[in-house]
Amino acid sequence: SQTIHQWPATLVQPVGSPLSLECTVEGTSNPNLYWYRQAAGRGLQLLFYSVGIGQISSEVPQNLSASRPQDRQFILSSKKLLLSDSGFYLCARGADANTGELFFGEGSRLTVL
Amino acid sequence: SQKIEQNSEALNIQEGKTATLTCNYTNYSPAYLQWYRQDPGRGPVFLLLIRENEKEKRKERLKVTFDTTLKQSLFHITASQPADSATYLCALESGGSNYKLTFGKGTLLTVNP
Repeated sequence: SQTIHQWPATLVQPVGSPLSLECTVEGTSNPNLYWYRQAAGRGLQLLFYSVGIGQISSEVPQNLSASRPQDRQFILSSKKLLLSDSGFYLCARGADANTGELFFGEGSRLTVL
Repeated sequence: SQKIEQNSEALNIQEGKTATLTCNYTNYSPAYLQWYRQDPGRGPVFLLLIRENEKEKRKERLKVTFDTTLKQSLFHITASQPADSATYLCALESGGSNYKLTFGKGTLLTVNP
């Protein structure tokens, strides 16, 4: 199974508030995990990826951070949200055979007001 | 840095016709290229992967070509149906061993009955 659970599905947060988006995945152990953001009028932007517990690589400098406290759990956080953090956040895992394709969750839509 | 262009933001065709979507890239020679389908408010779904040494790949009514000289991939849907209406994303592997993907902005395909 490549099932990916993301929550919350939608949230509206004020500027300056904290954020925590969670992602859990099913399937084999030690998957590659990814956080992407899709903003209006823009393509999917890779934010973070992780190849194992506690191993996080950041792709772009920003107001966000990621953590992987357990093998199948990936968390996206912010201490103080900005308006520009609004978007559709997608968690993804690599295929079990590491053949390159990604499997995405259903996404979390964040609106910062 | 690598750049991906999906030439049409939107494409409208009649049911039964063949839809052809274009993906061009620059500043890179990817080992493989992928196509995904994304429905509104949902995460992308993997469709096809084609490697640099493959000219063409098919899956049911889908066909993908990969021309590394032109730095272009074409995605075809034959005998198109209204259910094929969605946004189609092109993605390139970004190099390294962690299967990172860089996505285009997508083409919104509408198949009219």
